[in-house]
Amino acid sequence: DQQVKQNSPSLSVQEGRISILNCDYTNSMFDYFLWYKKYPAEGPTFLISISSIKDKNEDGRFTVFLNKSAKHLSLHIVPSQPGDSAVYFCAASGVTNAGKSTFGDGTTLTVKP
Amino acid sequence: KAGVTQTPRYLIKTRGQQVTLSCSPISGHRSVSWYQQTPGQGLQFLFEYFSETQRNKGNFPGRFSGRQFSNSRSEMNVSTLELGDSALYLCASNPDGIVTDTQYFGPGTRLTVL
Repeated sequence: DQQVKQNSPSLSVQEGRISILNCDYTNSMFDYFLWYKKYPAEGPTFLISISSIKDKNEDGRFTVFLNKSAKHLSLHIVPSQPGDSAVYFCAASGVTNAGKSTFGDGTTLTVKP
Repeated sequence: KAGVTQTPRYLIKTRGQQVTLSCSPISGHRSVSWYQQTPGQGLQFLFEYFSETQRNKGNFPGRFSGRQFSNSRSEMNVSTLELGDSALYLCASNPDGIVTDTQYFGPGTRLTVL
């Protein structure tokens, strides 16, 4: 039973346009959500997070939206840049399992110049 | 501060052997988590150590074990290796192991089992 799902394995967008990456979860106990970016041969790098008490968090070009009733979150990147090309992982954790994050399978984003 | 370091970076073993991977967290971080990533898969949680105690454990067989030392460095061991254990093993550290802590990942150890 996969508790965090990223249904799109890949996404291709043009430079300057918006990239929208989606993530669904099933476990209602999750109350903290994160996005990580991963380049080949490197470990994942933290990008942005959101607590379940919020529905939006913004950091520069990156915005994460959380819809708790739909158990859905999305990452918006505006404007997209070629350097954003990477694998993006959605992750979720709960207060009772703080040191354990449950990850999705990742979405490969390609931003074309 | 130096980042999370993992050694070795690459490892080739044969079936039936055992392997030990090492992780040095960021200085001052007390929580260390281990994840397995196989091709096309997300990161699967193995276990988390906090102040030398295993605090969380994922759904992996007992062949996978770990420990944490008093300086927060951690090791994971896989005994009786199987072909399916070929994967990238990632270690992550965070300061206090609370839910809002950011996890900082190392570059991983690429294990190949032949």
